[in-house]
Amino acid sequence: EVQLVETGGGLVQPGRSLKLSCVASGFTFNNYWMSWTRQAPGKGLEWVASITNSGGSTYYPDSVKGRFTISRDNAQNTLYLQMNSLRSEDTATYYCTRAGGVMDAWGQGASVTVSS
Amino acid sequence: DIVLTQAPLSVSVTPGESASISCRSSKSLLSSKGITSLYWYLQKPGKSPQLLIYRMSNLASGVPDRFSGSGSETDFTLKISKVETEDVGVYYCAQFLEYPFTFGSGTKLEIK
Repeated sequence: EVQLVETGGGLVQPGRSLKLSCVASGFTFNNYWMSWTRQAPGKGLEWVASITNSGGSTYYPDSVKGRFTISRDNAQNTLYLQMNSLRSEDTATYYCTRAGGVMDAWGQGASVTVSS
Repeated sequence: DIVLTQAPLSVSVTPGESASISCRSSKSLLSSKGITSLYWYLQKPGKSPQLLIYRMSNLASGVPDRFSGSGSETDFTLKISKVETEDVGVYYCAQFLEYPFTFGSGTKLEIK
């Protein structure tokens, strides 16, 4: 069974940093691209970042480019999202997704609240 | 960016009846490889999104065949035949043809 478990969410002040982790199991992690997608409270889904299976290439929308960094440790089956210079509009539930051409598995989500 | 426009915003359905949700793309989602990169997800209340349909018309693993997807290069439809109470939630279309990946704004399905 594919499992994705996110950790690291919490309350953080504007301008500060936070790092999310996602531990994967039930599939061969290093065969898959991975992504992060978020959902602001009561809102729709927004893609945040993607990374190739080797970690050699990363992709971001303009809304987070230069502030967020996606990375992975294939030896530890773990995906990361480093979030810097956080803003109130980054408040959301962040989902880790398996993304081999399609986001076909989602974690339970990690809640991030950016507020003073 | 590719904009996906869903309609209606919400739909109320009697159990056993059918429901259709539309998703219109601002650009063709047909790739050079002949794949239509349109996907449908369901987010049940309090849960993470789950994949229903991939590549416009293919049923994801474990999804009941009451769900079906169809469309062209820019206009897509998710049909749910014989709606059940477990089908409540918000339905999203998504495109993974090009960056930035984008989602529709969602259609909420309720049971009458």
